[in-house]
Amino acid sequence: KQEVTQIPAALSVPEGENLVLNCSFTDSAIYNLQWFRQDPGKGLTSLLLIQSSQREQTSGRLNASLDKSSGRSTLYIAASQPGDSATYLCAVSPGMRFGAGTRLTVKP
Amino acid sequence: GAVVSQHPSWVICKSGTSVKIECRSLDFQATTMFWYRQFPKQSLMLMATSNEGSKATYEQGVEKDKFLINHASLTLSTLTVTSAHPEDSSFYICSAGTSGRLETQYFGPGTRLLVL
Repeated sequence: KQEVTQIPAALSVPEGENLVLNCSFTDSAIYNLQWFRQDPGKGLTSLLLIQSSQREQTSGRLNASLDKSSGRSTLYIAASQPGDSATYLCAVSPGMRFGAGTRLTVKP
Repeated sequence: GAVVSQHPSWVICKSGTSVKIECRSLDFQATTMFWYRQFPKQSLMLMATSNEGSKATYEQGVEKDKFLINHASLTLSTLTVTSAHPEDSSFYICSAGTSGRLETQYFGPGTRLLVL
């Protein structure tokens, strides 16, 4: 069974810092990996989707990488802002398995 | 983009009652819908996969008689929490799509259930 782990569980940084969130998965036979953002009490917002054949995807200040062989993905956030404060979840397909998330707080 | 709605957005009920949550794909037809539950500060846990016109496939540990799922049409799936108890209080999220792949799934805004 696919297990998805996210480290750290929580992260607090001052505004302007660059930061990295980590996601690991136990079964490398994935179709794709997706990063989501979840604000408190809200649903999910899709950030980036990486297909299994790809190594990275970029959107604005966000960059996600995928190393399928080692079962790892990272989400890099550049020049963090208070509005980035949220929980970030990664999920892999097949199986629709989610990690527990990293709760990010960016302090002004 | 595709929109998925959930109704109600929040519900408070007494212990022992049943609660129905609807998940609708508003502008597309969804052959597959997924139901998740999320406890505070924890991840989404997949409860079941629902394919239109067939019985739902439940994840291990999820009671099918407790959480009834109906996917009667290509735009609507319902989750009924039967005889709800306080431990069923959670955030329930659905996703809808045209396959079992993440990239084709669109997530609803969630329903917060509080059982007193």
